[in-house]
Amino acid sequence: GEDVEQSLFLSVREGDSSVINCTYTDSSSTYLYWYKQEPGAGLQLLTYIFSNMDMKQDQRLTVLLNKKDKHLSLRIADTQTGDSAIYFCAESNNQGGKLIFGQGTELSVKP
Amino acid sequence: GAGVSQTPSNKVTEKGKYVELRCDPISGHTALYWYRQSLGQGPEFLIYFQGTGAADDSGLPNDRFFAVRPEGSVSTLKIQRTERGDSAVYLCASRTASGANVLTFGAGSRLTVL
Repeated sequence: GEDVEQSLFLSVREGDSSVINCTYTDSSSTYLYWYKQEPGAGLQLLTYIFSNMDMKQDQRLTVLLNKKDKHLSLRIADTQTGDSAIYFCAESNNQGGKLIFGQGTELSVKP
Repeated sequence: GAGVSQTPSNKVTEKGKYVELRCDPISGHTALYWYRQSLGQGPEFLIYFQGTGAADDSGLPNDRFFAVRPEGSVSTLKIQRTERGDSAVYLCASRTASGANVLTFGAGSRLTVL
């Protein structure tokens, strides 16, 4: 079945770039997503990418997709303490279908 | 409403009891999803509705779990004979009919089974 894997923890210094990685198994993935979850809060969509794209940039966020290796990454430029949260990668493989989530990467930003 | 609303935000119950969790999606969103999130884990898919009907209920763990959406708007997740292992945050999400399948999530209902 579909599976999405992420490393569990990442720690960076304020002002540095953060790169969060994700791998997935479903070769028919259509869309891939990054969601952010702050303590005690629901999931907030950060960005998503269509599977025929290699890269998408949105302000401080850059998403890179390597479809051949089934690898997705999220780069956050100039990381701030307010970026500390859990980041979830997710994929869906058809229009209107369910999203499959990874277990989340906890990003800790130290001043 | 402006966002996805879930009630109650917290529910504590005893093992064996029946529980209902409610989700009020964004007005006009045709699809509604239920996920379960255990501590330290990612959201786990349970069921999703397209209108009034369940389009995919493959994530429901067993027949103690049931969900309805009778008028294509509000949905209720029902858990019978609760077990301690059912303790989790239950997340609801909704989306529009078209587009990139972007889900908007509610804040969740935290269920604790003692």
